[in-house]
Amino acid sequence: DTAVSQTPKYLVTQMGNDKSIKCEQNLGHDTMYWYKQDSKKFLKIMFSYNNKELIINETVPNRFSPKSPDKAHLNLHINSLELGDSAVYFCASSQKTVSYEQYFGPGTRLTVT
Amino acid sequence: AQSVTQLDSQVPVFEEAPVELRCNYSSSVSVYLFWYVQYPNQGLQLLLKYLSGSTLVESINGFEAEFNKSQTSFHLRKPSVHISDTAEYFCAVSVTNRDDKIIFGKGTRLHILP
Repeated sequence: DTAVSQTPKYLVTQMGNDKSIKCEQNLGHDTMYWYKQDSKKFLKIMFSYNNKELIINETVPNRFSPKSPDKAHLNLHINSLELGDSAVYFCASSQKTVSYEQYFGPGTRLTVT
Repeated sequence: AQSVTQLDSQVPVFEEAPVELRCNYSSSVSVYLFWYVQYPNQGLQLLLKYLSGSTLVESINGFEAEFNKSQTSFHLRKPSVHISDTAEYFCAVSVTNRDDKIIFGKGTRLHILP
């Protein structure tokens, strides 16, 4: 009965490759997010979708492209991976009309070699 | 623009001692305030939140935080910490009546000493 799940949990890949991270929530929330947490634990929002519509798009390289096929899913595709992309990526969801609490997934640790 | 400052990157404290993790925010409009906790190798979990009403909010595991509008602070306190409280604590702010963008502080690592 996981609320927010992400796959894979670990991802090791080489520079230049293209990879995707998947996120699913079963909470019935209407808003989903992607965050990047760097090695110093600093957490920064990347994207947010509300009802499949892009709401927040922070200053993120074009190599990152989110895709929301439905309200319960928000995937992150990364092209031409670079060393600096190594981080932990967290997906989160919330229900805007109920509360501002965000529920986080367990994270995907991406290592680019 | 909003910002959150957590002055202490690490706070060591002995088990059963009290602790305070400091958080100050900057905003020209009304905000919602949060404390999230991240246990090792896990995602973030909401610890407590201030949306409106009583300025003192409590969590189920003994933490409390007080919203102080004049000092723009939302410090987190616990009267007696346990080894299981070892984690990274993030203060966060969100602007009321706007999108759900949350700005996180840089986090404070609570290190419990035996």
